[in-house]
Amino acid sequence: GENVEQHPSTLSVQEGDSAVIKCTYSDSASNYFPWYKQELGKRPQLIIDIRSNVGEKKDQRIAVTLNKTAKHFSLHITETQPEDSAVYFCAARLSGYSTLTFGKGTMLLVSP
Amino acid sequence: EPEVTQTPSHQVTQMGQEVILRCVPISNHLYFYWYRQILGQKVEFLVSFYNNEISEKSEIFDDQFSVERPDGSNFTLKIRSTKLEDSAMYFCASSHREAGELFFGEGSRLTVL
Repeated sequence: GENVEQHPSTLSVQEGDSAVIKCTYSDSASNYFPWYKQELGKRPQLIIDIRSNVGEKKDQRIAVTLNKTAKHFSLHITETQPEDSAVYFCAARLSGYSTLTFGKGTMLLVSP
Repeated sequence: EPEVTQTPSHQVTQMGQEVILRCVPISNHLYFYWYRQILGQKVEFLVSFYNNEISEKSEIFDDQFSVERPDGSNFTLKIRSTKLEDSAMYFCASSHREAGELFFGEGSRLTVL
């Protein structure tokens, strides 16, 4: 089955800095890669996703890049704000399946 | 905005007891899921459900687990005889399409003593 590794487990940045979280996946048949944000005590919420026919996708301060050859994808947050503080999860889904395989999560702390 | 709702938010039970976790998926969604997250670990897939039957399940989802959609709105996860290692946050999720965005509930924290 699919295996997703996520790094770092914790990331501390100053407000206004950029943050990058990286994930690798094992199965080249995966074709969908979402990122979820989970604030303390709340549900995971989708913030951005990318499909394997695209190399990069951007939504305001958030971008995701995908390198299919290397089997890794990254989340980039620019101009971080304290409200970006949360746990971020990457995930991958195999083509033809509906289930997601998650990474272990990254706790992002943005200090004012 | 429609949401997936879960009850209870927290349940404490004794080892060996049966537990039922309840979920109300978003009303026009057709695909339903249970995931769990043991404290400090990754979110793990348990089971997916479509058209009143299980479509996929993981190795975690053994004979102690079952799912049911008893009345067209609720989607339940039953653990027949809980073990200490079943202590986790259990997330229900739903999606409109098979390959669509997953919407998660806020989770049910299960503590087995």
